[in-house]
Amino acid sequence: AQSVAQPEDQVNVAEGNPLTVKCTYSVSGNPYLFWYVQYPNRGLQFLLKYITGDNLVKGSYGFEAEFNKSQTSFHLKKPSALVSDSALYFCASKLNDYKLSFGAGTTVTVRA
Amino acid sequence: DTGVSQNPRHKITKRGQNVTFRCDPISEHNRLYWYRQTLGQGPEFLTYFQNEAQLEKSRLLSDRFSAERPKGSFSTLEIQRTEQGDSAMYLCASSEGSTTNEKLFFGSGTQLSVL
Repeated sequence: AQSVAQPEDQVNVAEGNPLTVKCTYSVSGNPYLFWYVQYPNRGLQFLLKYITGDNLVKGSYGFEAEFNKSQTSFHLKKPSALVSDSALYFCASKLNDYKLSFGAGTTVTVRA
Repeated sequence: DTGVSQNPRHKITKRGQNVTFRCDPISEHNRLYWYRQTLGQGPEFLTYFQNEAQLEKSRLLSDRFSAERPKGSFSTLEIQRTEQGDSAMYLCASSEGSTTNEKLFFGSGTQLSVL
């Protein structure tokens, strides 16, 4: 079975500083990993995915994620955070052709 | 608006009542999903439709839950004899193309409160 864990409930950073949201996975086989973001009163939005290939994946809104097989991690990163990046972030892995398993989420607060 | 639409946005009901939620996916999407999200948790898979066929149903779904997608367009999720434990945000998502690297489009959800 595949699952993900987000070890931090909350991440607080100052605007302009680097932002990292952590995710680790436990997988049998090749992992399919995703990041989604949930803004207040809005549905989850797809940010990026890792299927195979380059370990550094670029996504929407200037976000990127680094797949690290030895550390079984898939951390989400942004070089310079914006106040508008404040949201709830979910890491997810694909259990089969149609089922995603989400982490518990990390609340990101970017202060001006 | 061409996104996934869910109605109602909020539903308050008394324990024991039946409720029904509706999801209108993006029109060209053939796959439709229902997820449930409780406070402090990530979304949990409930069920999946490929066109009008319901191909998978989570063990989380008791016999009180039923979902339909007639004609492969909109979908409804019905909960019979609601319980307080059913209180959650019910999310609908749709997608198309390859299932390997699919991108889900989520609606804003229906927040259910069972009193």
